[in-house]
Amino acid sequence: EDQVTQSPEALRLQEGESSSLNCSYTVSGLRGLFWYRQDPGKGPEFLFTLYSAGEEKEKERLKATLTKKESFLHITAPKPEDSATYLCAVQMDSSYKLIFGSGTRLLVRP
Amino acid sequence: DAGVIQSPRHEVTEMGQEVTLRCKPISGHNSLFWYRQTMMRGLELLIYFNNNVPIDDSGMPEDRFSAKMPNASFSTLKIQPSEPRDSAVYFCASKAGTGQPQHFGDGTRLSIL
Repeated sequence: EDQVTQSPEALRLQEGESSSLNCSYTVSGLRGLFWYRQDPGKGPEFLFTLYSAGEEKEKERLKATLTKKESFLHITAPKPEDSATYLCAVQMDSSYKLIFGSGTRLLVRP
Repeated sequence: DAGVIQSPRHEVTEMGQEVTLRCKPISGHNSLFWYRQTMMRGLELLIYFNNNVPIDDSGMPEDRFSAKMPNASFSTLKIQPSEPRDSAVYFCASKAGTGQPQHFGDGTRLSIL
């Protein structure tokens, strides 16, 4: 069964304390893996697309990496404004559908 | 640039009433998706349109739900009659083409009393 699992469910960090969020997937043929950020009362905001193992993308304090079975979202020296729910989604070959994980709720304390 | 625009942002109505949610996708995007988000089930795809044509409505929970896309710049999701279990946040998303990311609106928070 195609599945996307994110861990941890929730993460509390002190400002400046770097960490990583995990997204593991079991799908038959990956077209792309997407990371989104969702703030309370808002829709998911697109962050990155990764297409193949070994690929990396960076944006400010965030870096996303991809292997054949999982993706990591590394957060370097986070700030309180990085607090949000981070969602991972995968799209399989020959499909338009995104399979979403349940998200990681990140809280960064000042 | 304007993103995906949804209206209303909040809707509170009584059970049995008709509810219509509206979406304006990003100009130039040819795919449109309706999702429902709840704490228990996360994001669920309801229906997918490509070039204004419904391609997959297998996620629509019941016949009480219907969706239309009369033109490239407008879509509606209708629930009639509404039930308390329909309470959720409904998102619309659009994308430009194959392999491109979906861009989401800020959703409609629907409460059925």
